[in-house]
Amino acid sequence: DAMVIQNPRYQVTQFGKPVTLSCSQTLNHNVMYWYQQKSSQAPKLLFHYYDKDFNNEADTPDNFQSRRPNTSFCFLDIRSPGLGDAAMYLCATSREPQGNRYEQYFGPGTRLTVT
Amino acid sequence: QKEVEQDPGPLSVPEGAIVSLNCTYSNSAFQYFMWYRQYSRKGPELLMYTYSSGNKEDGRFTAQVDKSSKYISLFIRDSQPSDSATYLCAMSPGAGNMLTFGGGTRLMVKP
Repeated sequence: DAMVIQNPRYQVTQFGKPVTLSCSQTLNHNVMYWYQQKSSQAPKLLFHYYDKDFNNEADTPDNFQSRRPNTSFCFLDIRSPGLGDAAMYLCATSREPQGNRYEQYFGPGTRLTVT
Repeated sequence: QKEVEQDPGPLSVPEGAIVSLNCTYSNSAFQYFMWYRQYSRKGPELLMYTYSSGNKEDGRFTAQVDKSSKYISLFIRDSQPSDSATYLCAMSPGAGNMLTFGGGTRLMVKP
């Protein structure tokens, strides 16, 4: 089945220790997104790639970086995690907009704990 | 005021009830409307997708969009305990634009 895969599902890191979360997709979608979701809140878009074009949201902290080495993979790097970065990190994909079709498909998320 | 408002709940209903979940929005440019279901500690799962106004039905789920009132609804018929989850509405002004999410409504269906 075509899908969005995130690894690991649970990640524990220490305060200030860099961490990388990964996302892969078998949907062959052009667009990939990273969201941060804190408890009982809406997902908050951090950035997205349209093919190789990187788009950063204005309020995404510099502490968050992303890489997309190819169509299938995208990584979220948190350079110096703080306690406030503990959250669920969601990867999503969408195809290049075609007519009225523009759904985003989410992975299962990576729950990050910062100790 | 948030661009998309959604009552956080929790909304508790007995099994078999008809559930109505709603979102209001302020941006009249929104054209694409989606409903996602999110189980605890899982990623959102796309349930329904609607473009512009009107109704869309899929099994026990019906999505309604009233652009004149800036109001969208998701109806669940014959609700089941497995429908217990958080329901997020999301919308966008155009294909290629980013989604704006509501905060989610937590639904509990009791056997």
